[in-house]
Amino acid sequence: GNSVTQMEGPVTLSEEAFLTINCTYTATGYPSLFWYVQYPGEGLQLLLKATKADDKGSNKGFEATYRKETTSFHLEKGSVQVSDSAVYFCALSDPSDNDMRFGAGTRLTVKP
Amino acid sequence: DTEVTQTPKHLVMGMTNKKSLKCEQHMGHRAMYWYKQKAKKPPELMFVYSYEKLSINESVPSRFSPECPNSSLLNLHLHALQPEDSALYLCASSPGQGAYTIYFGEGSWLTVV
Repeated sequence: GNSVTQMEGPVTLSEEAFLTINCTYTATGYPSLFWYVQYPGEGLQLLLKATKADDKGSNKGFEATYRKETTSFHLEKGSVQVSDSAVYFCALSDPSDNDMRFGAGTRLTVKP
Repeated sequence: DTEVTQTPKHLVMGMTNKKSLKCEQHMGHRAMYWYKQKAKKPPELMFVYSYEKLSINESVPSRFSPECPNSSLLNLHLHALQPEDSALYLCASSPGQGAYTIYFGEGSWLTVV
């Protein structure tokens, strides 16, 4: 079946540090891949997505590239800010599946 | 506009109460979802409506009863809940069911006392 494995947290970084959160997936078909962000006390917000191999999703300085050969969709940001502190979920959606599959979530804390 | 609106934001209810959570979207989406999220966990799917018909019920206890009055509205009726049902309840919608982007609301924080 389809699944997502996400880097365990928590991750603590200093402001302006480089961020990578690893995400790998298993899928039977040709999934779309997503990163969602959840700020404290809020719902999930779509951060970025990619719908086919080699696509790069980007938003608010975050980037992730759909790598079919390594079944990965790692999230990166060159310089994090305190306001990026949140929980980040990698997710997969496949036409063969009834549900979006989420990773366990990675809590990021950015210190000034 | 990619907005899904949920009310109320916070709800405290006793185990004998009957209450409802409400959700609305005006994006013309044909699939709507209820998810349950416990602390430090990813969302768990409860129900999916596709074209106003219940498509998926993930073996949710009958004390949770969904309703889709029309294509823009989704309700979750709550009755005789248990304290372990306390969680964040997220409504979401997507253009259709399948490999589409799902858009989430802000959630309703439910506490059962």
